[in-house]
Parts: sequence; C-alpha cells; structure tokens
Amino acid sequence: GNSVTQMEGPVTLSEEAFLTINCTYTATGYPSLFWYVQYPGEGLQLLLKATKADDKGSNKGFEATYRKETTSFHLEKGSVQVSDSAVYFCALRNFGNEKLTFGTGTRLTIIP
Amino acid sequence: GAVVSQHPSRVICKSGTSVKIECRSLDFQATTMFWYRQFPKQSLMLMATSNEGSKATYEQGVEKDKFLINHASLTLSTLTVTSAHPEDSSFYICSAKERQGTSYNEQFFGPGTRLTVL
Repeated sequence: GNSVTQMEGPVTLSEEAFLTINCTYTATGYPSLFWYVQYPGEGLQLLLKATKADDKGSNKGFEATYRKETTSFHLEKGSVQVSDSAVYFCALRNFGNEKLTFGTGTRLTIIP
Repeated sequence: GAVVSQHPSRVICKSGTSVKIECRSLDFQATTMFWYRQFPKQSLMLMATSNEGSKATYEQGVEKDKFLINHASLTLSTLTVTSAHPEDSSFYICSAKERQGTSYNEQFFGPGTRLTVL
C-alpha cells in the first residue's frame, strides 16, 4: 500500500535560515506528490506539487523535486520568514485515484 | 480562492451522546467531499468519501453506523458521530472537490473540528 514518511518535528529555525523537510514515500505505480501547509486556525492549503519524475514544484520560495530513484520529495526554502511558521504535510495520490495519503506533518517555527 | 468551512471548530460532549459536524463549501459547488480523522502526531486518515445525493463510501475499518455521513447538497456535508465515546476524541477534517475541477481536481480543506468526548 501507499505510505508517506516525513521528518519528525518540531523544527525551529531562525529567520533567513535554510530549510529542508524530508519526505519519502512508498507507492504502487507513478503517484503525484504534494506538499500542503496548514497555518494556525486554517485548513490545509496546497503549497506545491509534482506529477512525474524529475518535476520540480515551486511556490512562495519553496521547492521540491520528485526523485523517483530515491522515492523522495524533500521540501526546501533558501531563506525562511516568520510567516512560514506552520505545519507542513507531504502527501501522494495515485494516478486516477482521488485518495490522498498523508505524512504525519512537520511543525515549523521560525523565530525572529 | 475556494473556501471550506467547518462548524463547530471545537466541541465537548458527554459519552453516549451524538455530535454533528458540518462541512460547507462557501464559494463553489462540491460534488465530492472527504472526511479525515487526525490523531495527535499522526497523519490524516481518510474515513470516507461522500458524493452529493448518494451514499458515502467508507474506508476499511471505519464503522458506517457510528460515523454517519450525509451529503444532501452541493455545498454541505455532515458527519455525525453517534453514541460517542472517549476513543472517538480526535481532530476531524473535511475537504471538498470542485464540481468544475481542474485537471488536477484539487481538494480544498476545512480548518478542522476538535471533538472531545468526556
């Protein structure tokens, strides 16, 4: 079956630090991969996605590259801001299937 | 963008009572809504998929008689936890998929409902 393993949190960084949140997956076939972000008091929002190997998703300075050989989709940002403080979820979805499989989420706190 | 609301955001109830949670798509029509459950430090687990006007499809291991789902309109789905017990305490999250979806058919998530059963 499908599974997503995420770097455990919480993660605390100083403003302008480099961020990496690791995500690896197990899936049958060729899944699409996603990062969702949940700000305090709000629902999950799609941050970025990639649908095939070597695709790079990017948004708001965040990037993640679909690595089929290592079954990974690590989230990176070169310089984080306080406003990036949130919980980040890695997820996958098999082609033709609506179901999303989520990782456990990583809480990120950025301190000024 | 597409907004999904949930009500209530937080509820505390006594063991044995039933609790209803509403999920609404505020600015779009949703033919499909999803209900998830999240335990502390665990991932979101899909409980069921509901399509407007038809019976919900439950995931393996989810009791359909305990978690009643109704999707009576294109903007509203409800989850009723019947005869709630302390082990039902959890964070319940819904999501909705737009009727006129993009090729990706993105799901839009509600903010969640924290249920505590005493």
